[in-house]
Amino acid sequence: AQSVSQHNHHVILSEAASLELGCNYSYGGTVNLFWYVQYPGQHLQLLLKYFSGDPLVKGIKGFEAEFIKSKFSFNLRKPSVQWSDTAEYFCAVKSFTGNQFYFGTGTSLTVIP
Amino acid sequence: NAGVTQTPKFQVLKTGQSMTLQCAQDMNHEYMSWYRQDPGMGLRLIHYSVGAGITDQGEVPNGYNVSRSTTEDFPLRLLSAAPSQTSVYFCASSWGTGGNTDTQYFGAGTRLSVL
Repeated sequence: AQSVSQHNHHVILSEAASLELGCNYSYGGTVNLFWYVQYPGQHLQLLLKYFSGDPLVKGIKGFEAEFIKSKFSFNLRKPSVQWSDTAEYFCAVKSFTGNQFYFGTGTSLTVIP
Repeated sequence: NAGVTQTPKFQVLKTGQSMTLQCAQDMNHEYMSWYRQDPGMGLRLIHYSVGAGITDQGEVPNGYNVSRSTTEDFPLRLLSAAPSQTSVYFCASSWGTGGNTDTQYFGAGTRLSVL
């Protein structure tokens, strides 16, 4: 089975600070990679995904993530966070030919105005 | 479109009781799945379905049954509830699982407590 590690469990930042959330996965083959976000009281929704092509992926609300195959990583970044980015962030992986999605344990981000 | 609808939103059960969590989607998605979310554990896949009549086990299937008689519905059955099944349950759906079709859309969740 695949596994996904999110190293930061709780992150607290001030507005305008830069954000980087780590995500590493264990599968050695071709993968699809995802970041999902859960805002307080809302559904989980897709932030961005990688399935082929440019390893630097841009998502909604100014987020981006870089797929580094040699490091089995898919870190999420945002140059300047806002209070509205307060949420829980989940990294997920699926093998390209498989049907099962594996999620990390999540990172809770609190942005202080 | 309503998207993915889960009912009920909250449920309290006694140990040994059975119940069904309902999940319906109106996007004509082929792939549907059930997850449980526990503190410090993230989301773990319970069961999934790649189309009507086809289901398979995920990471943590024990104690749960599913069926997929229609494209729209994917109910999750707890056969004999145990306190270890206290969790938040999410249903999700996507067009498929390949290429650019695997973006999952999630329901609002069902918070289940087993006493």
